[in-house]
Amino acid sequence: AQSVAQPEDQVNVAEGNPLTVKCTYSVSGNPYLFWYVQYPNRGLQFLLKYITGDNLVKGSYGFEAEFNKSQTSFHLKKPSALVSDSALYFCAVRAGGNFNKFYFGSGTKLNVKP
Amino acid sequence: GAVVSQHPSWVICKSGTSVKIECRSLDFQATTMFWYRQFPKQSLMLMATSNEGSKATYEQGVEKDKFLINHASLTLSTLTVTSAHPEDSSFYICSAFDLLAMADTQYFGPGTRLTVL
Repeated sequence: AQSVAQPEDQVNVAEGNPLTVKCTYSVSGNPYLFWYVQYPNRGLQFLLKYITGDNLVKGSYGFEAEFNKSQTSFHLKKPSALVSDSALYFCAVRAGGNFNKFYFGSGTKLNVKP
Repeated sequence: GAVVSQHPSWVICKSGTSVKIECRSLDFQATTMFWYRQFPKQSLMLMATSNEGSKATYEQGVEKDKFLINHASLTLSTLTVTSAHPEDSSFYICSAFDLLAMADTQYFGPGTRLTVL
């Protein structure tokens, strides 16, 4: 079965400090991995994706993520957090028999304090 | 590019009425659209996959007669919540995907907040 795990419900970080939001996955076949961000009462915004190639992918708003095949992880990172980064972050994977279906993690609430 | 709109953004209705939510891809052809439901502080629950010109595929546990999905064109899918009840109150989000273009990313609409009184 395909699954995505975000082990932290909430991550707190001070503005200016680096942030990491964790994601691990379990899929059959090669995964396509995604990060989305959701602001209150809004839909999800695409941040970045890993399909193939360089394990470190860069996305919107200064975010990046590193694909680690051996650890089946795709952690989201940013070198210097902003208060405006505070939001709900979802990791997603696309793989398996129904390649059109996306599997989402439970979400991690990021709180960046001034 | 890759903009998806939803209408209405919020709706309040009485129990027993039906509500239609529209999802449009504004600048690309969406061969596939997904409908999700999201409860407060929870992740997205996939309700159904909608392919243009064919019947939607519903996830296990989702009542297809209650949540009617129509994907009549490459830019429009609609979700109709029939005979809505308070337990149907939720945040409904659609996403669109261009399979024919070998696209690999789905793009989301802004969501519709449904409140059933």
